Amino acid sequence: EAGVAQSPRYKIIEKRQSVAFWCNPISGHATLYWYQQILGQGPKLLIQFQNNGVVDDSQLPKDRFSAERLKGVDSTLKIQPAKLEDSAVYLCASSSSRDVGRYTFGSGTRLTVV
Amino acid sequence: EDKVVQSPLSLVVHEGDTVTLNCSYEVTNFRSLLWYKQEKKAPTFLFMLTSSGIEKKSGRLSSILDKKELFSILNITATQTGDSAIYLCAVGGSNYKLTFGKGTLLTVNP
Repeated sequence: EAGVAQSPRYKIIEKRQSVAFWCNPISGHATLYWYQQILGQGPKLLIQFQNNGVVDDSQLPKDRFSAERLKGVDSTLKIQPAKLEDSAVYLCASSSSRDVGRYTFGSGTRLTVV
Repeated sequence: EDKVVQSPLSLVVHEGDTVTLNCSYEVTNFRSLLWYKQEKKAPTFLFMLTSSGIEKKSGRLSSILDKKELFSILNITATQTGDSAIYLCAVGGSNYKLTFGKGTLLTVNP
């Protein structure tokens, strides 16, 4: 099966600019997650979708971050405006209803805010 | 708040050594504990443990969970340079949300 696709692979922007990341999960995976991984730390959950509904966005900084999964398939994560501390790798993961706890991760997007 | 603590944070060994990585956790509504290997960007799945005392094994890697003492270990025997990576421990709680530890950076020197 094809893996989780993410784009772009890398992005460099200036602070206060906006940026968007895209994720296409494994076909048939109902649950999609966005994680933020700052250098030297483990991934931190930003938002969890079940189909096109939000299950958990308690750690999403909603004043600047937004995410959507309109048709229950692919998803976009946006940051506007970006801050220096947003520099991180943004990982998308998905899981199936048959194997809910086991995530498959995409290759991630490395964001550098200068 | 769910919490996962891994130790050591980094480890340097020689090829052929055996290593033990530790993971302790506090989580409400525990469902599972998972180990991932992260070499570049994407973490890749190693094991998922849900029952206490059962060892999961794949080649030179093995892992065991102690639900009473709230910890897990990951063992790697006869290490190779290709084992160099960050090993992440994650615990699944409510809604199967995974909470990750900071990881253990393993470096295997030839």
